[in-house]
Amino acid sequence: GNSVTQMEGPVTLSEEAFLTINCTYTATGYPSLFWYVQYPGEGLQLLLKATKADDKGSNKGFEATYRKETTSFHLEKGSVQVSDSAVYFCALRFMGEQAGTALIFGKGTTLSVSS
Amino acid sequence: ETGVTQSPTHLIKTRGQQVTLRCSSQSGHNTVSWYQQALGQGPQFIFQYYREEENGRGNFPPRFSGLQFPNYSSELNVNALELDDSALYLCASSLGQGSGYTFGSGTRLTVV
Repeated sequence: GNSVTQMEGPVTLSEEAFLTINCTYTATGYPSLFWYVQYPGEGLQLLLKATKADDKGSNKGFEATYRKETTSFHLEKGSVQVSDSAVYFCALRFMGEQAGTALIFGKGTTLSVSS
Repeated sequence: ETGVTQSPTHLIKTRGQQVTLRCSSQSGHNTVSWYQQALGQGPQFIFQYYREEENGRGNFPPRFSGLQFPNYSSELNVNALELDDSALYLCASSLGQGSGYTFGSGTRLTVV
């Protein structure tokens, strides 16, 4: 079946540190890949996405590259801020003909950044 | 433009009761999906509606049902509530089945 695996949290970093959150997926086909962020008490916000192999999604200093050969979509940021503290979810979805299917999420990784 | 609005924000119900959660989709969006997010877990897909028809369902029992109205707003109904139904219920809307989702802030349901 289709699934997403994220690194276990929590991840605790100091401000301006480098961030990597690992995400790998298993899929029958070629899904689109997403990173969502959830701030305390809020719903999910799309952070970035990539729709095909070798695409790089980027937003707000975060980046992730769709790697088909390693079935990975690791999230990175060069210098984290306290305001980046949140839960990050990796997800996949099939578009097009299979669009009736849904987002499949990982379990989430909690990031805590201290000043 | 307004985003996705869910009501109520919090709800406490007793085991065995029934509950209805509501979602107003973002203006112009014709597709609505519902997700259940248990504490410390990722969201799990419940079902999706496209132009008032259910066109996708996750691994949830029939006591989870839904509706989509002509204005594309939606309801999630859960019958015979169980303690494990306690979770954050998220609604997401999109323009068409292949477009990106906009999520609401969710309804926190507690079953006691």
